[in-house]
Amino acid sequence: DIQMTQSPSSLSASVGDRVTITCRASQGISNYLAWYQQKPGKVPKLLIYAASTLQSGVPSRFSGSGSGTDFTLTISSLQPEDVATYYCQKYNSAPALTFGGGTKVEIK
Amino acid sequence: QVQLVQSGAEVKKPGASVKVSCKASGYTFTGYYMHWVRQAPGQGLEWMGWINPNSGGTNYAQKFHGRVTMTRDTSISTAYMELSRLRSDDTAFYYCARGVRRDYSSGWYFDYWGQGTLVTVSS
Repeated sequence: DIQMTQSPSSLSASVGDRVTITCRASQGISNYLAWYQQKPGKVPKLLIYAASTLQSGVPSRFSGSGSGTDFTLTISSLQPEDVATYYCQKYNSAPALTFGGGTKVEIK
Repeated sequence: QVQLVQSGAEVKKPGASVKVSCKASGYTFTGYYMHWVRQAPGQGLEWMGWINPNSGGTNYAQKFHGRVTMTRDTSISTAYMELSRLRSDDTAFYYCARGVRRDYSSGWYFDYWGQGTLVTVSS
Protein backbone atom coordinates (compact mmCIF):
# COMPACT_ATOMS: atom_id res chain seq x y z
CA ASP A 1 0.00 0.00 0.00
CA ILE A 2 1.09 3.56 -0.70
CA GLN A 3 1.92 5.47 2.48
CA MET A 4 1.46 9.21 2.90
CA THR A 5 3.90 11.03 5.16
CA GLN A 6 3.31 14.61 6.23
CA SER A 7 5.86 16.96 7.71
CA PRO A 8 6.16 18.63 10.02
CA SER A 9 3.69 17.05 12.42
CA SER A 10 3.19 20.45 14.01
CA LEU A 11 4.35 24.01 13.54
CA SER A 12 3.97 27.38 15.16
CA ALA A 13 4.12 30.55 13.10
CA SER A 14 3.24 34.22 13.41
CA VAL A 15 0.28 35.92 11.80
CA GLY A 16 1.30 36.97 8.31
CA ASP A 17 3.96 34.29 7.94
CA ARG A 18 4.20 32.04 4.92
CA VAL A 19 3.58 28.44 6.00
CA THR A 20 4.45 25.33 4.00
CA ILE A 21 3.35 21.78 4.75
CA THR A 22 4.77 18.80 2.90
CA CYS A 23 3.15 15.50 1.97
CA ARG A 24 5.20 12.69 0.49
CA ALA A 25 3.81 9.53 -1.13
CA SER A 26 5.79 6.30 -0.98
CA GLN A 27 5.03 5.76 -4.69
CA GLY A 28 4.00 8.10 -7.47
CA ILE A 29 0.36 9.18 -7.44
CA SER A 30 0.40 11.68 -10.32
CA ASN A 31 -1.64 14.64 -9.03
CA TYR A 32 -4.33 12.62 -7.27
CA LEU A 33 -3.94 14.47 -4.01
CA ALA A 34 -6.35 16.43 -1.84
CA TRP A 35 -5.83 18.65 1.19
CA TYR A 36 -8.26 19.11 4.06
CA GLN A 37 -8.44 21.55 6.94
CA GLN A 38 -9.89 20.47 10.28
CA LYS A 39 -10.39 23.21 12.82
CA PRO A 40 -10.56 22.17 16.49
CA GLY A 41 -13.82 20.39 17.22
CA LYS A 42 -15.00 20.73 13.63
CA VAL A 43 -15.52 18.56 10.57
CA PRO A 44 -12.79 18.24 7.92
CA LYS A 45 -13.17 20.68 5.05
CA LEU A 46 -11.86 20.18 1.51
CA LEU A 47 -9.34 22.86 0.56
CA ILE A 48 -7.59 21.57 -2.56
CA TYR A 49 -7.97 18.68 -4.98
CA ALA A 50 -5.95 17.51 -7.96
CA ALA A 51 -2.92 18.74 -6.00
CA SER A 52 -3.43 22.39 -6.93
CA THR A 53 -7.10 23.14 -7.64
CA LEU A 54 -8.69 25.34 -5.01
CA GLN A 55 -12.12 24.20 -3.87
CA SER A 56 -14.83 26.83 -4.36
CA GLY A 57 -14.98 29.33 -1.51
CA VAL A 58 -11.49 28.61 -0.15
CA PRO A 59 -9.40 31.77 0.38
CA SER A 60 -6.73 32.39 -2.22
CA ARG A 61 -3.96 32.48 0.42
CA PHE A 62 -4.13 28.68 0.26
CA SER A 63 -2.33 26.98 -2.61
CA GLY A 64 -1.11 23.51 -3.47
CA SER A 65 1.59 22.18 -5.72
CA GLY A 66 3.41 19.01 -6.63
CA SER A 67 3.08 15.85 -8.64
CA GLY A 68 4.34 12.30 -8.39
CA THR A 69 5.54 11.80 -4.84
CA ASP A 70 6.10 15.26 -3.36
CA PHE A 71 3.40 17.79 -2.61
CA THR A 72 3.09 21.02 -0.67
CA LEU A 73 0.30 23.04 0.85
CA THR A 74 1.17 26.71 1.30
CA ILE A 75 -0.58 29.39 3.28
CA SER A 76 0.82 32.62 1.91
CA SER A 77 -0.08 34.78 4.90
CA LEU A 78 -1.16 32.91 8.02
CA GLN A 79 -4.33 34.19 9.66
CA PRO A 80 -5.69 33.40 13.14
CA GLU A 81 -8.61 31.50 11.60
CA ASP A 82 -6.15 29.13 9.92
CA VAL A 83 -5.37 27.41 13.22
CA ALA A 84 -6.22 23.81 12.38
CA THR A 85 -4.84 20.41 11.54
CA TYR A 86 -4.21 19.85 7.85
CA TYR A 87 -4.40 16.43 6.18
CA CYS A 88 -3.38 15.26 2.77
CA GLN A 89 -5.18 12.35 1.09
CA LYS A 90 -4.20 10.35 -1.95
CA TYR A 91 -6.86 9.09 -4.30
CA ASN A 92 -4.94 7.77 -7.28
CA SER A 93 -6.61 4.40 -7.19
CA ALA A 94 -9.62 2.72 -5.76
CA PRO A 95 -10.20 1.23 -3.35
CA ALA A 96 -7.44 2.28 -0.96
CA LEU A 97 -7.83 5.90 0.09
CA THR A 98 -5.13 6.99 2.49
CA PHE A 99 -4.67 10.09 4.59
CA GLY A 100 -1.46 11.57 5.86
CA GLY A 101 -0.92 11.79 9.58
CA GLY A 102 -1.78 15.47 9.81
CA THR A 103 0.03 18.73 10.50
CA LYS A 104 -1.14 20.88 13.38
CA VAL A 105 -0.74 24.61 12.73
CA GLU A 106 -0.71 27.04 15.63
CA ILE A 107 -0.13 30.76 16.05
CA LYS A 108 3.07 31.82 17.75
CA GLN B 1 -27.38 23.11 -0.56
CA VAL B 2 -25.75 19.77 0.03
CA GLN B 3 -26.19 18.43 3.54
CA LEU B 4 -25.25 15.18 5.21
CA VAL B 5 -26.96 14.77 8.57
CA GLN B 6 -25.87 11.92 10.79
CA SER B 7 -27.54 10.18 13.70
CA GLY B 8 -26.70 10.98 17.30
CA ALA B 9 -24.00 9.80 19.65
CA GLU B 10 -23.97 6.20 20.81
CA VAL B 11 -22.54 4.39 23.81
CA LYS B 12 -22.00 0.67 23.37
CA LYS B 13 -20.49 -2.19 25.32
CA PRO B 14 -17.59 -4.23 23.95
CA GLY B 15 -18.83 -6.93 21.62
CA ALA B 16 -21.98 -5.04 20.63
CA SER B 17 -22.82 -3.50 17.26
CA VAL B 18 -23.60 0.06 16.27
CA LYS B 19 -25.44 1.41 13.23
CA VAL B 20 -24.92 5.03 12.17
CA SER B 21 -27.12 6.75 9.62
CA CYS B 22 -26.33 9.57 7.20
CA LYS B 23 -29.22 11.37 5.51
CA ALA B 24 -28.33 13.23 2.34
CA SER B 25 -30.13 16.20 0.85
CA GLY B 26 -29.53 18.89 -1.73
CA TYR B 27 -28.26 16.57 -4.46
CA THR B 28 -29.10 13.32 -6.24
CA PHE B 29 -28.29 10.67 -3.63
CA THR B 30 -27.63 7.94 -6.19
CA GLY B 31 -25.21 10.10 -8.15
CA TYR B 32 -22.29 10.00 -5.71
CA TYR B 33 -20.58 7.23 -3.75
CA MET B 34 -20.86 7.62 0.01
CA HIS B 35 -17.77 6.96 2.08
CA TRP B 36 -17.21 6.47 5.79
CA VAL B 37 -14.19 7.85 7.60
CA ARG B 38 -13.44 7.59 11.29
CA GLN B 39 -11.30 9.57 13.69
CA ALA B 40 -10.32 8.36 17.13
CA PRO B 41 -10.03 11.12 19.77
CA GLY B 42 -6.95 13.21 19.09
CA GLN B 43 -5.96 11.03 16.14
CA GLY B 44 -5.97 11.26 12.35
CA LEU B 45 -8.46 10.29 9.68
CA GLU B 46 -9.01 6.67 8.68
CA TRP B 47 -10.98 5.63 5.60
CA MET B 48 -13.34 2.70 6.21
CA GLY B 49 -15.05 2.05 2.90
CA TRP B 50 -17.71 3.12 0.44
CA ILE B 51 -21.14 2.29 -0.82
CA ASN B 52 -22.48 2.99 -4.27
CA PRO B 53 -25.99 4.24 -3.47
CA ASN B 54 -27.14 3.43 -6.99
CA SER B 55 -26.27 -0.27 -7.02
CA GLY B 56 -25.71 -0.96 -3.35
CA GLY B 57 -22.23 -2.21 -4.14
CA THR B 58 -19.65 -1.79 -1.41
CA ASN B 59 -15.93 -1.87 -0.83
CA TYR B 60 -14.37 -1.96 2.61
CA ALA B 61 -10.88 -1.22 3.86
CA GLN B 62 -9.10 -4.46 4.63
CA LYS B 63 -8.87 -3.56 8.30
CA PHE B 64 -12.66 -3.63 8.68
CA HIS B 65 -13.48 -6.63 6.51
CA GLY B 66 -15.91 -8.91 8.31
CA ARG B 67 -16.92 -6.28 10.86
CA VAL B 68 -18.40 -3.45 8.80
CA THR B 69 -21.52 -3.40 6.67
CA MET B 70 -22.60 -0.41 4.60
CA THR B 71 -26.14 -0.20 3.28
CA ARG B 72 -28.50 2.41 1.92
CA ASP B 73 -32.16 3.22 1.55
CA THR B 74 -32.64 5.22 -1.63
CA SER B 75 -36.29 6.00 -0.77
CA ILE B 76 -35.10 8.24 2.04
CA SER B 77 -31.64 9.16 0.68
CA THR B 78 -29.91 7.62 3.67
CA ALA B 79 -26.73 5.63 4.00
CA TYR B 80 -25.88 3.41 6.95
CA MET B 81 -22.69 2.06 8.46
CA GLU B 82 -22.87 -0.82 10.89
CA LEU B 83 -19.80 -1.92 12.84
CA SER B 84 -19.96 -5.14 14.81
CA ARG B 85 -17.91 -6.80 17.55
CA LEU B 86 -17.01 -3.41 18.94
CA ARG B 87 -13.79 -2.93 20.91
CA SER B 88 -12.62 -0.05 23.03
CA ASP B 89 -10.33 1.12 20.23
CA ASP B 90 -13.38 1.62 18.01
CA THR B 91 -14.22 4.65 20.13
CA ALA B 92 -14.19 7.44 17.55
CA PHE B 93 -16.08 9.99 15.56
CA TYR B 94 -17.58 8.37 12.48
CA TYR B 95 -18.14 10.59 9.46
CA CYS B 96 -19.99 10.01 6.22
CA ALA B 97 -18.50 11.91 3.30
CA ARG B 98 -19.60 12.37 -0.30
CA GLY B 99 -17.01 11.06 -2.74
CA VAL B 100 -16.01 12.88 -5.92
CA ARG B 101 -14.13 10.95 -8.59
CA ARG B 102 -12.23 12.52 -11.45
CA ASP B 103 -12.30 9.46 -13.67
CA TYR B 104 -13.20 5.79 -13.43
CA SER B 105 -9.60 4.74 -12.89
CA SER B 106 -9.08 6.92 -9.84
CA GLY B 107 -10.32 6.95 -6.29
CA TRP B 108 -12.31 9.67 -4.57
CA TYR B 109 -11.78 12.82 -2.58
CA PHE B 110 -14.49 14.17 -0.29
CA ASP B 111 -16.28 17.45 -0.84
CA TYR B 112 -19.04 17.26 1.79
CA TRP B 113 -18.93 15.68 5.22
CA GLY B 114 -21.52 14.81 7.81
CA GLN B 115 -21.25 16.38 11.23
CA GLY B 116 -19.86 13.20 12.74
CA THR B 117 -21.26 10.65 15.17
CA LEU B 118 -19.35 9.87 18.33
CA VAL B 119 -19.39 6.19 19.15
CA THR B 120 -18.06 5.36 22.60
CA VAL B 121 -17.26 1.75 23.43
CA SER B 122 -16.99 1.16 27.14
CA SER B 123 -17.88 -1.52 29.63
